Amino acid sequence: DVKVTQSSRYLVKRTGEKVFLECVQDMDHENMFWYRQDPGLGLRLIYFSYDVKMKEKGDIPEGYSVSREKKERFSLILESASTNQTSMYLCASNGQGKDYEQYFGPGTRLTVT
Amino acid sequence: DQQVKQNSPSLSVQEGRISILNCDYTNSMFDYFLWYKKYPAEGPTFLISISSIKDKNEDGRFTVFLNKSAKHLSLHIVPSQPGDSAVYFCAASANSNYQLIWGAGTKLIIKP
Repeated sequence: DVKVTQSSRYLVKRTGEKVFLECVQDMDHENMFWYRQDPGLGLRLIYFSYDVKMKEKGDIPEGYSVSREKKERFSLILESASTNQTSMYLCASNGQGKDYEQYFGPGTRLTVT
Repeated sequence: DQQVKQNSPSLSVQEGRISILNCDYTNSMFDYFLWYKKYPAEGPTFLISISSIKDKNEDGRFTVFLNKSAKHLSLHIVPSQPGDSAVYFCAASANSNYQLIWGAGTKLIIKP
Protein backbone atom coordinates (compact mmCIF):
# COMPACT_ATOMS: atom_id res chain seq x y z
CA ASP A 1 0.00 0.00 0.00
CA VAL A 2 1.19 3.46 -0.90
CA LYS A 3 1.79 5.57 2.14
CA VAL A 4 2.07 9.33 2.18
CA THR A 5 2.55 10.87 5.60
CA GLN A 6 2.47 14.48 6.70
CA SER A 7 4.29 15.76 9.76
CA SER A 8 1.28 17.29 11.52
CA ARG A 9 -2.49 16.88 11.34
CA TYR A 10 -3.22 20.20 13.04
CA LEU A 11 -1.02 23.25 13.44
CA VAL A 12 -1.62 26.69 14.92
CA LYS A 13 0.88 29.43 14.17
CA ARG A 14 1.09 33.18 14.66
CA THR A 15 1.25 35.74 11.88
CA GLY A 16 4.84 36.26 10.74
CA GLU A 17 6.12 32.89 11.92
CA LYS A 18 8.06 30.60 9.60
CA VAL A 19 6.18 27.35 9.08
CA PHE A 20 7.51 24.01 7.82
CA LEU A 21 5.19 21.30 6.55
CA GLU A 22 6.82 17.96 5.77
CA CYS A 23 5.65 15.16 3.53
CA VAL A 24 7.17 11.70 3.14
CA GLN A 25 6.19 8.96 0.67
CA ASP A 26 7.37 5.38 0.70
CA MET A 27 6.66 4.31 -2.89
CA ASP A 28 9.78 5.67 -4.58
CA HIS A 29 7.61 8.12 -6.54
CA GLU A 30 9.34 10.70 -8.70
CA ASN A 31 6.58 13.32 -8.56
CA MET A 32 5.41 15.08 -5.42
CA PHE A 33 2.83 17.84 -5.06
CA TRP A 34 1.63 20.39 -2.50
CA TYR A 35 -1.98 21.59 -2.65
CA ARG A 36 -4.18 23.71 -0.50
CA GLN A 37 -7.87 23.01 -0.21
CA ASP A 38 -10.39 25.72 0.61
CA PRO A 39 -14.19 25.37 0.59
CA GLY A 40 -15.69 26.07 -2.83
CA LEU A 41 -12.27 26.29 -4.48
CA GLY A 42 -11.27 22.66 -4.73
CA LEU A 43 -7.59 21.72 -4.67
CA ARG A 44 -5.17 24.36 -5.85
CA LEU A 45 -1.61 23.41 -6.73
CA ILE A 46 1.07 25.37 -4.89
CA TYR A 47 4.26 23.65 -6.07
CA PHE A 48 5.30 20.33 -7.47
CA SER A 49 8.56 18.48 -7.95
CA TYR A 50 9.41 15.81 -10.52
CA ASP A 51 12.86 14.99 -9.20
CA VAL A 52 15.22 15.63 -6.33
CA LYS A 53 16.16 19.32 -6.12
CA MET A 54 13.73 20.14 -8.93
CA LYS A 55 10.64 22.24 -8.37
CA GLU A 56 7.96 23.90 -10.45
CA LYS A 57 5.47 26.59 -9.49
CA GLY A 58 1.84 25.67 -9.48
CA ASP A 59 -1.13 28.00 -9.65
CA ILE A 60 -0.64 29.80 -6.30
CA PRO A 61 3.06 29.80 -5.31
CA GLU A 62 3.12 33.28 -3.78
CA GLY A 63 4.10 33.24 -0.12
CA TYR A 64 5.37 29.66 -0.30
CA SER A 65 8.62 27.87 -1.08
CA VAL A 66 9.53 24.18 -1.25
CA SER A 67 12.49 21.92 -0.74
CA ARG A 68 13.20 18.44 -2.07
CA GLU A 69 16.59 17.21 -0.90
CA LYS A 70 15.66 13.52 -0.91
CA LYS A 71 13.37 11.61 -3.25
CA GLU A 72 10.95 10.57 -0.53
CA ARG A 73 10.61 13.95 1.19
CA PHE A 74 8.98 17.18 0.00
CA SER A 75 8.74 20.17 2.33
CA LEU A 76 6.48 23.21 2.07
CA ILE A 77 7.69 26.40 3.72
CA LEU A 78 5.67 29.46 4.60
CA GLU A 79 8.35 32.11 5.03
CA SER A 80 6.13 34.50 6.97
CA ALA A 81 2.72 33.06 7.74
CA SER A 82 -0.33 35.22 7.15
CA THR A 83 -3.96 34.73 8.12
CA ASN A 84 -4.97 34.13 4.47
CA GLN A 85 -2.77 31.04 4.53
CA THR A 86 -5.12 29.39 7.00
CA SER A 87 -6.16 26.30 5.06
CA MET A 88 -5.97 22.51 4.65
CA TYR A 89 -2.63 21.55 3.09
CA LEU A 90 -2.44 18.30 1.17
CA CYS A 91 0.64 16.50 -0.09
CA ALA A 92 0.46 13.96 -2.92
CA SER A 93 2.80 11.80 -4.98
CA ASN A 94 2.79 9.68 -8.12
CA GLY A 95 5.25 7.87 -10.35
CA GLN A 96 6.53 8.63 -13.84
CA GLY A 97 4.94 6.84 -16.76
CA LYS A 98 1.23 6.59 -17.43
CA ASP A 99 0.16 6.87 -13.81
CA TYR A 100 -2.06 9.88 -13.38
CA GLU A 101 -3.42 8.74 -10.06
CA GLN A 102 -2.05 10.79 -7.19
CA TYR A 103 -1.80 9.38 -3.69
CA PHE A 104 -2.56 11.79 -0.89
CA GLY A 105 -1.48 12.23 2.69
CA PRO A 106 -4.04 12.89 5.45
CA GLY A 107 -3.60 16.66 5.26
CA THR A 108 -2.47 19.35 7.68
CA ARG A 109 -5.05 21.81 8.96
CA LEU A 110 -3.06 25.02 9.46
CA THR A 111 -4.54 27.95 11.38
CA VAL A 112 -2.67 31.25 11.37
CA THR A 113 -3.78 33.67 14.06
CA ASP B 1 -10.54 30.50 -15.62
CA GLN B 2 -11.88 27.22 -14.29
CA GLN B 3 -11.07 24.43 -16.71
CA VAL B 4 -12.90 21.79 -14.64
CA LYS B 5 -16.27 22.70 -13.19
CA GLN B 6 -18.51 20.93 -10.74
CA ASN B 7 -21.55 23.15 -10.71
CA SER B 8 -23.41 21.50 -7.85
CA PRO B 9 -21.81 22.33 -4.48
CA SER B 10 -23.99 19.71 -2.81
CA LEU B 11 -26.36 16.85 -3.57
CA SER B 12 -28.73 14.97 -1.28
CA VAL B 13 -29.85 11.42 -2.21
CA GLN B 14 -31.93 8.79 -0.47
CA GLU B 15 -30.10 5.66 0.61
CA GLY B 16 -30.49 2.90 -1.98
CA ARG B 17 -31.17 5.30 -4.87
CA ILE B 18 -28.78 6.41 -7.61
CA SER B 19 -26.39 9.31 -7.03
CA ILE B 20 -25.25 11.20 -10.14
CA LEU B 21 -22.40 13.67 -9.83
CA ASN B 22 -21.54 15.87 -12.79
CA CYS B 23 -18.39 17.50 -14.08
CA ASP B 24 -17.79 19.75 -17.10
CA TYR B 25 -14.50 20.73 -18.66
CA THR B 26 -13.36 23.26 -21.21
CA ASN B 27 -9.94 22.01 -22.35
CA SER B 28 -10.24 19.58 -25.27
CA MET B 29 -6.64 18.45 -24.64
CA PHE B 30 -7.62 16.62 -21.45
CA ASP B 31 -7.10 12.92 -22.06
CA TYR B 32 -7.61 11.36 -18.64
CA PHE B 33 -10.21 11.98 -15.96
CA LEU B 34 -10.36 10.85 -12.35
CA TRP B 35 -12.83 10.94 -9.48
CA TYR B 36 -11.69 11.23 -5.90
CA LYS B 37 -13.62 10.94 -2.68
CA LYS B 38 -12.75 12.94 0.43
CA TYR B 39 -13.95 12.56 3.99
CA PRO B 40 -13.51 15.47 6.45
CA ALA B 41 -10.01 15.71 7.97
CA GLU B 42 -8.64 13.09 5.53
CA GLY B 43 -6.80 13.27 2.23
CA PRO B 44 -8.67 12.51 -1.02
CA THR B 45 -8.71 8.88 -2.10
CA PHE B 46 -8.87 7.69 -5.69
CA LEU B 47 -12.20 6.24 -6.74
CA ILE B 48 -12.34 5.61 -10.48
CA SER B 49 -10.85 6.96 -13.71
CA ILE B 50 -11.49 7.02 -17.43
CA SER B 51 -9.33 7.56 -20.47
CA SER B 52 -10.58 9.77 -23.27
CA ILE B 53 -10.57 6.79 -25.64
CA LYS B 54 -13.44 5.26 -23.65
CA ASP B 55 -16.93 6.45 -22.89
CA LYS B 56 -17.63 4.30 -19.85
CA ASN B 57 -15.77 2.66 -17.02
CA GLU B 58 -17.33 0.58 -14.29
CA ASP B 59 -16.07 -0.60 -10.91
CA GLY B 60 -18.60 -2.22 -8.65
CA ARG B 61 -21.22 0.34 -7.63
CA PHE B 62 -19.34 3.14 -9.40
CA THR B 63 -19.59 3.99 -13.10
CA VAL B 64 -18.06 6.96 -14.86
CA PHE B 65 -19.44 8.15 -18.20
CA LEU B 66 -17.56 10.44 -20.56
CA ASN B 67 -19.21 12.50 -23.30
CA LYS B 68 -16.34 14.12 -25.19
CA SER B 69 -18.49 16.08 -27.60
CA ALA B 70 -20.26 17.74 -24.68
CA LYS B 71 -17.06 17.90 -22.60
CA HIS B 72 -18.98 16.32 -19.75
CA LEU B 73 -18.45 13.44 -17.40
CA SER B 74 -20.59 11.97 -14.70
CA LEU B 75 -20.13 9.57 -11.80
CA HIS B 76 -23.00 7.21 -11.01
CA ILE B 77 -23.21 5.45 -7.66
CA VAL B 78 -25.77 2.65 -7.45
CA PRO B 79 -27.07 1.89 -4.89
CA SER B 80 -26.06 4.80 -2.69
CA GLN B 81 -24.94 3.90 0.81
CA PRO B 82 -24.45 6.02 3.98
CA GLY B 83 -20.67 5.58 3.71
CA ASP B 84 -20.79 7.34 0.33
CA SER B 85 -21.46 10.65 2.11
CA ALA B 86 -18.32 12.66 1.30
CA VAL B 87 -17.01 15.37 -1.00
CA TYR B 88 -16.35 14.14 -4.54
CA PHE B 89 -13.75 15.80 -6.73
CA CYS B 90 -13.43 15.50 -10.46
CA ALA B 91 -9.90 15.94 -11.89
CA ALA B 92 -8.43 15.99 -15.40
CA SER B 93 -4.98 15.69 -16.93
CA ALA B 94 -3.48 16.70 -20.27
CA ASN B 95 0.27 16.75 -19.94
CA SER B 96 3.28 14.60 -19.24
CA ASN B 97 4.00 16.15 -15.84
CA TYR B 98 0.94 14.30 -14.59
CA GLN B 99 -0.50 17.42 -13.08
CA LEU B 100 -4.18 17.25 -12.33
CA ILE B 101 -6.66 20.07 -12.76
CA TRP B 102 -9.35 19.86 -10.08
CA GLY B 103 -12.98 20.80 -9.83
CA ALA B 104 -14.33 22.55 -6.74
CA GLY B 105 -16.01 19.41 -5.42
CA THR B 106 -19.58 18.26 -4.74
CA LYS B 107 -20.68 17.33 -1.24
CA LEU B 108 -22.83 14.20 -1.42
CA ILE B 109 -25.21 13.53 1.47
CA ILE B 110 -26.91 10.14 1.64
CA LYS B 111 -30.12 10.28 3.68
CA PRO B 112 -31.25 7.16 5.55
